Amino acid sequence: AQKVTQAQTEISVVEKEDVTLDCVYETRDTTYYLFWYKQPPSGELVFLIRRNSFDEQNEISGRYSWNFQKSTSSFNFTITASQVVDSAVYFCALSEAVGNTGFQKLVFGTGTRLLVSP
Amino acid sequence: DSGVTQTPKHLITATGQRVTLRCSPRSGDLSVYWYQQSLDQGLQFLIQYYNGEERAKGNILERFSAQQFPDLHSELNLSSLELGDSALYFCASSARGTGIPEAFFGQGTRLTVV
Repeated sequence: AQKVTQAQTEISVVEKEDVTLDCVYETRDTTYYLFWYKQPPSGELVFLIRRNSFDEQNEISGRYSWNFQKSTSSFNFTITASQVVDSAVYFCALSEAVGNTGFQKLVFGTGTRLLVSP
Repeated sequence: DSGVTQTPKHLITATGQRVTLRCSPRSGDLSVYWYQQSLDQGLQFLIQYYNGEERAKGNILERFSAQQFPDLHSELNLSSLELGDSALYFCASSARGTGIPEAFFGQGTRLTVV
C-alpha cells in the first residue's frame, strides 16, 4: 500500500526565514499524483499543488516552491520569507488506486505543523 | 472557495445517537469522496460515490453509511455514535469518475460526540 511520511511533526521559525517541509512517499504505481494541502486553524483543507509522476520539474508559485525528486521519492515544499499567515498544518498526499475499481483515493501523511512567529 | 459545500459546520451530539452530514459537490461534478480526520487515525478515505453508485470503499465502519442522490448531493450517516467518532469529516468532489484524483475539499463538518 502507498505510504506518505512527513517526519517533521512541528517546525518553528521566525518571520522571513525560509522553511522546507519534507515529504517522502512509497508507491508501486508508475503513474501517481502528489499533493500538498494547507490546513489553517480554521480547519479547512486548502489545496496548494498537484503534481503527476511524469512531471519532475520544480514548481514555483510566489513564495512557495516544490521540489519533486523521483529518485529519492520525495516531494518537498519550501516557503520562502515565511509569514505569520503561513502558520498551519501542512499535509502531503499521494494518490492510490482503490482495488480494481479504476478510482483513486488520497493517502495523507501525518502533517507538519508550522509555527511562524513575528 | 472550493465550490464544495458541507453542512453543518459543527455538530455536537451524544453517544449512541445518529447524525447525517451533507455534501453538495461542485456544479457538474459526478463523484463525491468522504474523508475522516481524527486525532488518532489522521486523514483517511472513507467512501466514494459516482453518479449515485458506491464505487470505492476505504476504512469505513459498518455503523457508517453514505449515499448519493439524483441531484448528486451526498449524505454520510453515522449511527450508534461513540466518543471516538469525534472528528472532522471532509467531502471532496470530482467531475471524473476515474483518473486524476480530486484535489478540492469542502470546509468540513466538525463532529463532537459527548
